[in-house]
Parts: sequence; structure tokens; C-alpha cells
Amino acid sequence: EVQLVESGGGLVQPGGSLKISCAASGFTFSNFWMSWVRQAPGRGLEWVATIKQDGSEQHYVDSVKGRLTISRDNVKKSLHLQMDSLRAEDTAVYYCARGGSMLDSWGQGTLVTVSS
Amino acid sequence: EIVLTQSPATLSLSPGERATLSCRASQSISSYLAWYQQKPGQAPRLLFYDASNRATGIPARFSGSGSGTDFTLTIFSLEPEDFAVYYCQHRSNWPYTFGQGTKLEIK
Repeated sequence: EVQLVESGGGLVQPGGSLKISCAASGFTFSNFWMSWVRQAPGRGLEWVATIKQDGSEQHYVDSVKGRLTISRDNVKKSLHLQMDSLRAEDTAVYYCARGGSMLDSWGQGTLVTVSS
Repeated sequence: EIVLTQSPATLSLSPGERATLSCRASQSISSYLAWYQQKPGQAPRLLFYDASNRATGIPARFSGSGSGTDFTLTIFSLEPEDFAVYYCQHRSNWPYTFGQGTKLEIK
């Protein structure tokens, strides 16, 4: 069974940093693109970033370029999102998802709140 | 950036009725469209990819169709567990975007 478990969310001040992670199991992690999708409270879904199987290619939505960095560790079967220069509008549940163009498995999400 | 517009924003129907949800793209995306279902407090679940390919475990009462700019998700006979928010998403070119969602509620 595919499992994706996010961790690391919490409260951070504007301008601060946070790193969230996703532990994968139940499939060959290194064979799949992986992605982060976020959902602000009461709002819709926004695709944030995606990374190729070997980490050699990443894509970001314009609003996070230069501030959020997606990475992966295929040995540890984990996906990460380093979040710097955080803004109030980054407040959301962040979902880890399997895939790079369509997302066939999702974690339960981790809440990141940016507030003073 | 390709914009996906879903309609209606809210659809009120009764169990057993047919639901028809629409997703329109701001430019042609061939068949590169997926549909997701999200229930309150849960992560989204993939229903269809490439417009009409049913994902694993999705019941046959769900149907996806369309190409180019106009797409439809049909639920032929609503079950109580189908009431949720539905999102479309394209994969034509980056950035991949989602529609704003259609809330399917019990009438």
C-alpha cells in the first residue's frame, strides 16, 4: 500500500524558514516524480513544485520561485520542501503527492501557518 | 498560464440523480486533464487522468469525457459518499493548475 506521511509543519513568523518532509513507503520511490500541492484555509488547490525521479529537474509555481526549494533523498525515500522568506499567503496545508503531471496518491498534509 | 474554469460553483442534487460537472480551459490542452475528489478533512483523490481514464478503484458510475477546451465529469446515479468538492487539473504545460472546484452538495 502506498503511504505518504508529511511532517514538519507549524507556526512560523513572516520572513522565517521551515522545512517540511514527506516519508514514502509501499512503492519504489526512485521511480516516480514527486510533488507538493498546497491548500490555503477554505480555498482550492495550488500545485507548488515538482521534482524528477533523480532530482535533476524541478518546476515551481511563480509565486514561490526563489523562496521554496523542493528536494528528495531516494535512499531515505523522502521528499522535502525548504521554505524561506515565508509570507502570510504561504499559510496552507501542504500535501505531498506521487506524480509529476497527475497525482495518484496523496499524504494527509501538514499545516504551515505564517503569522506574527 | 492556463486557467481552468469550473461550473457550476455549487451543485445541489439528491441521491440517485445524475451530476454533470464542467471544466473549461483557457486554451486547448488536448486530453491532458485530470479530475480529483476531495471530502472535508481529507486529501484529494484521483478520479480520472487524461480526461477519460478511470483511476484505480473508481466506481463505474463516474465518467470523464472531453478534449481540447471542454471537459465533463458525470456521476450517473449519486451515492451519499459522492457529495464532495471536485477539482479538475491540467498537465499540458507548466505550471500545472487546478480549477477552483465544484462543490456537490445534498439537496
